[in-house]
Amino acid sequence: NAGVTQTPKFRVLKTGQSMTLLCAQDMNHEYMYWYRQDPGMGLRLIHYSVGEGTTAKGEVPDGYNVSRLKKQNFLLGLESAAPSQTSVYFCATDYGPTGELFFGEGSRLTVL
Amino acid sequence: SQQGEEDPQALSIQEGENATMNCSYKTSINNLQWYRQNSGRGLVHLILIRSNEREKHSGRLRVTLDTSKKSSSLLITASRAADTASYFCATDLYAGNMLTFGGGTRLMVKP
Repeated sequence: NAGVTQTPKFRVLKTGQSMTLLCAQDMNHEYMYWYRQDPGMGLRLIHYSVGEGTTAKGEVPDGYNVSRLKKQNFLLGLESAAPSQTSVYFCATDYGPTGELFFGEGSRLTVL
Repeated sequence: SQQGEEDPQALSIQEGENATMNCSYKTSINNLQWYRQNSGRGLVHLILIRSNEREKHSGRLRVTLDTSKKSSSLLITASRAADTASYFCATDLYAGNMLTFGGGTRLMVKP
């Protein structure tokens, strides 16, 4: 039982490159979230999904896109990476709204 | 903007002492949660307290909630070196769809 798995764990990009972060969960949770964590800023919500085929914007959605084609997967895409997107990205899941969140181990992204 | 703000930002204590962290928030909530994050790891849920509860216990953890003051506190009793971590409070800002997190308290427990 892996829980919430994020890939890749580390990535270095050049400004303007694109990439996709994958979050996979085996808990059959409906809700999935993408957060970014920056020093001193806590976690900020980028996008979230309340079920397969749905997505919604969070607090800081600009520069990111997401897709939830399958219930178990939530993808976060950066179409044209910028240095301001250097951060640690966390995926989280929830069986319902604002219950206990289950987090992945994080994906550390550096944009040069 | 951050809904929850933890205080202090950093706390250093000796093993065996108690650690108290506070969280203040701005708007009405349905529940407040506390999470722990070890260095380089994901967050782990510790405890959830609902708006109609005033106090909750889980092992060495005690959480209080004062909705009139819009504040919560997390008390870790008889701390251990393994309690060294960052602690975050989270509130359901939009009452249903998402949690917002504070900046966290970095706790160091010295052996």
